[in-house]
Amino acid sequence: DIVMTQTPLSSPVTLGQPASISCRSSQSLVHSDGNTYLNWLQQRPGQPPRLLIYKISSRFSGVPDRFSGSGAGTDFTLKISRVEPEDVGVYYCTQSTQFPHTFGGGTKVEIK
Amino acid sequence: EGHLVESGGGLVQPGGSLRLSCAASGFTFSSYKMNWVRQAPGKGLEWVSHITSSSSTIYYADSVKGRFTISRDNAQNSLYLQMNSLTAEDTAVYYCATNYAYWGQGTLVTVSS
Repeated sequence: DIVMTQTPLSSPVTLGQPASISCRSSQSLVHSDGNTYLNWLQQRPGQPPRLLIYKISSRFSGVPDRFSGSGAGTDFTLKISRVEPEDVGVYYCTQSTQFPHTFGGGTKVEIK
Repeated sequence: EGHLVESGGGLVQPGGSLRLSCAASGFTFSSYKMNWVRQAPGKGLEWVSHITSSSSTIYYADSVKGRFTISRDNAQNSLYLQMNSLTAEDTAVYYCATNYAYWGQGTLVTVSS
């Protein structure tokens, strides 16, 4: 199974300041079709997960452009350019390149 | 926009069974691969099972293989998860999701005597 490791576990951020979350996979996420199925999810308190970013860097419909994804191979990053109050929650990276799909342990973004 | 609604959760005794349902609307359900994902109380996300659009290919997490069965009815725009031989470790909110673009609100399954 592909292990997804996220850092940090927690990220206290000042409103308006940037935040960055790293995700590392135990093996390459490049699929045989050439795509890399690395997604980022946001889970606000008491809510189901919500897709933010798919295939490393594509923003899902309705996602603000302050969210961006980057990376390749086994190392990936989610960046929030300026944290807003509604960004509080837990962020997960997940791979859907190979079964079983696996998730990172989550990074909690909170306001300082 | 896609809309998913899970139902069928509840309290069940260890060794018991439950059948979860997921009703889809707002998108062409029959064209989408579907997943079940669960989240134990206060924990992270765990993928449970996957089914292709035509039900031709199915995958399970090792933790549920042999006990859970995923199925779908494209005519009814519905996804199902039959859960047998439940243990306390299966206690979680169960979400249905497409390729992670659309998620339901989840249904809570509690396994306890």
